[in-house]
Amino acid sequence: GENVEQHPSTLSVQEGDSAVIKCTYSDSASNYFPWYKQELGKRPQLIIDIRSNVGEKKDQRIAVTLNKTAKHFSLHITETQPEDSAVYFCAASNSNSGYALNFGKGTSLLVTP
Amino acid sequence: DGGITQSPKYLFRKEGQNVTLSCEQNLNHDAMYWYRQDPGQGLRLIYYSQIVNDFQKGDIAEGYSVSREKKESFPLTVTSAQKNPTAFYLCASSSRANSPLHFGNGTRLTVT
Repeated sequence: GENVEQHPSTLSVQEGDSAVIKCTYSDSASNYFPWYKQELGKRPQLIIDIRSNVGEKKDQRIAVTLNKTAKHFSLHITETQPEDSAVYFCAASNSNSGYALNFGKGTSLLVTP
Repeated sequence: DGGITQSPKYLFRKEGQNVTLSCEQNLNHDAMYWYRQDPGQGLRLIYYSQIVNDFQKGDIAEGYSVSREKKESFPLTVTSAQKNPTAFYLCASSSRANSPLHFGNGTRLTVT
């Protein structure tokens, strides 16, 4: 089945700096790549997603890039703020698993003032 | 908010007992999913269902069972065969393929 690897597992940045989280996937049939943010004790919330026919998508301070040839995608957060501190998960899906999402293990992001 | 309700929020059981976690959605979504979350492990898929009366095993289905008798409901039973059941369980739904999952608030199960 699909295997999604995510790096780094922890990331600490100064407020105002950029943060980058990278993921790779194994199944070339995967065609949907969402990113979720999970605050402590809460449910994951979708922050941005990208489909395989698009190489880059941006929403204010958040952007995602996709390289289908290399099978990797990345989350970029610019001008980080303390409220960006959370665990971020990447995921990938394809028809082989009924479009269920396969998640990476998460990145714990800490933004220090 | 959300439209997906998981209950209860906290659940305590003795080892050897089966326990059922509730998940109800009013989003009219066809697909529903159960994930298990452990520290440092991300979210792992237990079972999913794309339509009523049909469901498939995910990556870690052993020791779990589900039913999908109604579109709105997808309960998960943690059986005594599950060797390490203590975890945070998340239910989710989606409207169609390649669309975002909407998660419930989760149930934290502790088995002692």
